[in-house]
Amino acid sequence: DVKVTQSSRYLVKRTGEKVFLECVQDMDHENMFWYRQDPGLGLRLIYFSYDVKMKEKGDIPEGYSVSREKKERFSLILESASTNQTSMYLCASSSLPGPLKTGELFFGEGSRLTVL
Amino acid sequence: DAKTTQPPSMDCAEGRAANLPCNHSTISGNEYVYWYRQIHSQGPQYIIHGLKNNETNEMASLIITEDRKSSTLILPHATLRDTAVYYCIVRPDNYGQNFVFGPGTRLSVLP
Repeated sequence: DVKVTQSSRYLVKRTGEKVFLECVQDMDHENMFWYRQDPGLGLRLIYFSYDVKMKEKGDIPEGYSVSREKKERFSLILESASTNQTSMYLCASSSLPGPLKTGELFFGEGSRLTVL
Repeated sequence: DAKTTQPPSMDCAEGRAANLPCNHSTISGNEYVYWYRQIHSQGPQYIIHGLKNNETNEMASLIITEDRKSSTLILPHATLRDTAVYYCIVRPDNYGQNFVFGPGTRLSVLP
C-alpha cells in the first residue's frame, strides 16, 4: 500500500523555537510538496521539490525553508516559529503523469502544529 | 494555471447520485482535471482525473464537456461517508507543476 508518512501528528512548540517537520514517501515519487491548511483559507502551497536537492517556492514560503537530501524525504523547517504558523501542515508526493502513472497527489495524515 | 469555480456547498440525499459541478473555462489543451476530497481531519484523497474523455472508477465518474470548459463529478449512490469537501483542480502535464486547491465544495449527504 502506498504511503506518505509525516513524523508527528501533533506538536506544541514555543515562539522562537526551531521546528522540523519530516515527511517520507515510499513510492519513489519525483515530486514532493508541503502545504498548510487553515480554516477559510484552504490548502496553500509552501514549497515543493521535483528532484533531490531541488526546491521551488510555493505561494507562501516566508518563514519556512525545506530540505530534500534524499528522494524519499522532504523536510519542512521553521527557523524561528511564530504564533501565526500555528496550522495543519500536509505533505504530499506525486509521480509525473504518463501512460502508466496517474500523477495524482498522495497526502500524509497531516501534522497539527501549535505555537505558543 | 487555469482557475476553477465550484459551488461552496451542496446537499444530497443518501442513496441518491451526487453531481458536483466544476467550471474551468480557461483550461488549456495539456491540462488535466483532477478531483480530490477531504474528510474532516484527514489529508485530501484522490478520486479521479481525466483529460478529454469521460472516466469511471470504483469511486466515481467524471464527465468532461466536449469543449472541456466544465466537468461534473458523479458519486452514483452517495453514502454518509461521502460527506466531505470536494476539490476540482486543473494541472498542467509538465514537470514539477503543483496542484492549486481552491475552496472546494462542501458536500453534505443527508440521511
